[in-house]
Amino acid sequence: DIVMTQTPLSLSVTPGQPASISCKSSQSLLHSDGKTYLYWYLQKPGQSPQLLIYEVSSRFSGVPDRFSGSGSGTDFTLKISRVEAEDVGVYYCMQGIHLSFTFGPGTKVDIK
Amino acid sequence: QVQLVQSGAEVKKPGASVKVSCKASGYTFTGYYMHWVRQAPGQGLEWMGWINPNSGGTNYAQKFQGRVTMTRDTSISTAYMELSRLRSDDTAVYYCARSRVVGATGSGYWGQGTLVTVSS
Repeated sequence: DIVMTQTPLSLSVTPGQPASISCKSSQSLLHSDGKTYLYWYLQKPGQSPQLLIYEVSSRFSGVPDRFSGSGSGTDFTLKISRVEAEDVGVYYCMQGIHLSFTFGPGTKVDIK
Repeated sequence: QVQLVQSGAEVKKPGASVKVSCKASGYTFTGYYMHWVRQAPGQGLEWMGWINPNSGGTNYAQKFQGRVTMTRDTSISTAYMELSRLRSDDTAVYYCARSRVVGATGSGYWGQGTLVTVSS
């Protein structure tokens, strides 16, 4: 099974400042179809998770452009250009390359 | 708009089974895979498997093989997840989540979650 790791596991950010979360997979997520199946989700307190980014860097419908994803192979990054109060919650990366999916442990983001 | 409405909270005894439903609307039910994901209290997300509502084909996480069964009723656009031989550590919120696009892709739309409590 592919193991996903995230760093840091918690992050406290001043509003208006940038934030960055790293995600690493134990195997390459590059599929033979040319796509890389790495996703980012945000679970706000008391809510269901919501998709932010799919296939490394594509923003899902309605996601603000302050969220961006990058990376390749086994190393990925989610960046928030200017954190807002509504961005608090737990961020998860997830892989889905071999029709089975695994989540990272999550990164809890709160506001200073 | 895509909506996934799950059944209500359940309390079960150890050894029993639970069946959670997920009624879909706002799209063609048979066109998109349905994932099931669970979250134990205070813990992270755990993928359980998916079902292809068109064919009924499934893919389960190895951890749940032999205990989980995912089915669907296309006539009422509803997916089901049944977990058997429940243990206390199966206490969790169970989510259904529709694939973003056609195929076994990551989920873009989530249900509200169903709390399953396993307690004697």
